[in-house]
Amino acid sequence: EIVLTQSPATLSVSPGETATLSCRASQILNRGYLAWYQQKPGQAPRLLIYGVSTRATGIPARFSGSGSGTEFTLTISSLQSEDFAVYYCQQYNNWPPVTFGGGTKVEIK
Amino acid sequence: QVQLVESGGGVVQPGRSLRLSCAASGFTFSNYGMNWVRQAPGKGLEWVAVISYDGGNQYYLDSVKGRFSISRDNSKNTLYLQMNSLRPEDTAVYYCAKDSSIGARTFDYWGQGTLVTVSS
Repeated sequence: EIVLTQSPATLSVSPGETATLSCRASQILNRGYLAWYQQKPGQAPRLLIYGVSTRATGIPARFSGSGSGTEFTLTISSLQSEDFAVYYCQQYNNWPPVTFGGGTKVEIK
Repeated sequence: QVQLVESGGGVVQPGRSLRLSCAASGFTFSNYGMNWVRQAPGKGLEWVAVISYDGGNQYYLDSVKGRFSISRDNSKNTLYLQMNSLRPEDTAVYYCAKDSSIGARTFDYWGQGTLVTVSS
């Protein structure tokens, strides 16, 4: 099973600034099958990024993904009020099982 | 528009059973794999099971293998999760999630979730 470790657990950022979230995999994701989701309180997760860097339909360009191997990053530029949420990375490179990271909460500084 | 609506959650004693349903609409249900993903209170996401578009293949999280069974009825556009021998650690919001249109195991639509509480 591939374990995903997200850091930091909580990130305090001011609106308009850039947030950088990390996701480390316990094994190399040789097919680059890494996705990111956003979840707001009381809501279901929303797919943001798949295949490391491809934005899902309707996702603003301020969300970008990068990385390879075992190290991956989600960058949120010019944070808007609606971006404060919990973010999860997910690997679908080797499954079952599909696995998620523990999440990073982006909060208002 | 795509809609996934879960039902069947509730409070159940350890060792008992529960069946969850997920009614799908707004897309061709029989073309997509479907998943159950759960989230324990205040915790992260945990994938539980997947069923292929035609119901021919199912895969499970190790901790639910032999206790949970995923199935689907494409004539009714409905996904199911039969949960037997429930344990307190199965307490969670259970989401049904659709495989995305890119053909890989990412989830582009989710239901609102149904809460399962296993407690005596």
